[in-house]
Amino acid sequence: DSGVTQTPKHLITATGQRVTLRCSPRSGDLSVYWYQQSLDQGLQFLIQYYNGEERAKGNILERFSAQQFPDLHSELNLSSLELGDSALYFCASSVGTGGGYTFGSGTRLTVV
Amino acid sequence: QQQVKQSPQSLIVQKGGISIINCAYENTAFDYFPWYQQFPGKGPALLIAIRPDVSEKKEGRFTISFNKSAKQFSLHIMDSQPGDSATYFCAASWESSASKIIFGSGTRLSIRP
Repeated sequence: DSGVTQTPKHLITATGQRVTLRCSPRSGDLSVYWYQQSLDQGLQFLIQYYNGEERAKGNILERFSAQQFPDLHSELNLSSLELGDSALYFCASSVGTGGGYTFGSGTRLTVV
Repeated sequence: QQQVKQSPQSLIVQKGGISIINCAYENTAFDYFPWYQQFPGKGPALLIAIRPDVSEKKEGRFTISFNKSAKQFSLHIMDSQPGDSATYFCAASWESSASKIIFGSGTRLSIRP
């Protein structure tokens, strides 16, 4: 157990729907990062939050949004889902001073 | 400027052999270079990391070699074992700031028994 908790582990939904992925960072970590990993693809950075504020944005679609709450957990909202959104979505956290991340075990999203 | 280029894309090594994965970066402001190991269906896990003030770091069978002037670094896995079969990602970031890590594209390593 890495200390970063992601729920749900698996999610199957239909095109056009909206889902919410949840991440609880490791205790004491202020930064949360979201990554998308498609089949045989690398880790595509989506967005970073630091202590409740958006810190950096990557290749995140307008249909996707995220937030970090006062208790530091984060949610990634994916709407108007398309088949191509099927992927593993990882959350990672860090203390906030850079350095290495700790990744969660991911949420596997399947859009049918 | 922020890219990290990784090669090869895939690698097959015989058990007991040496696995070598190479990475190159562009931004000289990077000061932290981690490697992550990912098994199928799992999240990436930090394997080993190096800072640019040293040329080599060794942890067990895993060694990072770092060439600051060439802006290149590599992962060497000595005495490779079937359990090392995984995808490896090199990465770069700025250790002193809360900033995202830039990942390489990954190398799928297979160790043949």
